[in-house]
Amino acid sequence: QVQLQESGPGPVKPSETLSLTCNVSGDSISSYYWSWIRQPPGRGLEWIGYLYNSGSTNYNPSLKSRVTISVDTSKNQFSLRLSSVTAADTAVYYCARQNRGGIFDYWGQGTLVTVSS
Amino acid sequence: ETVLTQSPGTLSLSPGERATLSCRASQTVSSYLAWYQQKPGQAPRLLIYAASSRATGIPDRFSGSGSGTDFTLTVSRLEPEDFAVYYCQQYGYSPWTFGQGTKVEVK
Repeated sequence: QVQLQESGPGPVKPSETLSLTCNVSGDSISSYYWSWIRQPPGRGLEWIGYLYNSGSTNYNPSLKSRVTISVDTSKNQFSLRLSSVTAADTAVYYCARQNRGGIFDYWGQGTLVTVSS
Repeated sequence: ETVLTQSPGTLSLSPGERATLSCRASQTVSSYLAWYQQKPGQAPRLLIYAASSRATGIPDRFSGSGSGTDFTLTVSRLEPEDFAVYYCQQYGYSPWTFGQGTKVEVK
């Protein structure tokens, strides 16, 4: 059974960098594409970007200048860094396995990141 | 980017009734369209991919149809656990995008 679990340090101050890690179990991180998706409170879903082939990436152009997704294959986990955050980046952040070209078949439970001074 | 417009915004129905949800794409996405169900406090759950293929473990009361720009998710008979928000998502063009959601609520 594939399981994903997000973790992160908690609240972030404006202009700082948001950092999250997704731990993957039940599957090899080298075998699929892996995405980050976010959802502001009470709103819809936004795809942030994905990582594949143990390091190649594709980002949403709306966030590309601020996003980095990386992998640690030894720990079977991947990470998200989002720089220069503002209150608009407050959201539940999900990690997900991407399959069949672009569907998300396994999701983490999500972690709320609040940007506040 | 490809904009997905879902309608209606809210659907008020009773258990046992049929639910029909619509998703329209701003450009053709062929059959690269998925549907998800999300309940409060939970991650989305994949229901349908490739416009009409049910994901593993999804009951057959859920069905998807359409291609190109117009897609439909149908729930043949609503069960109590089906009241939730439903999102469509296209993966024909990067960036992958989601619709704004349709809430199916108890009438």
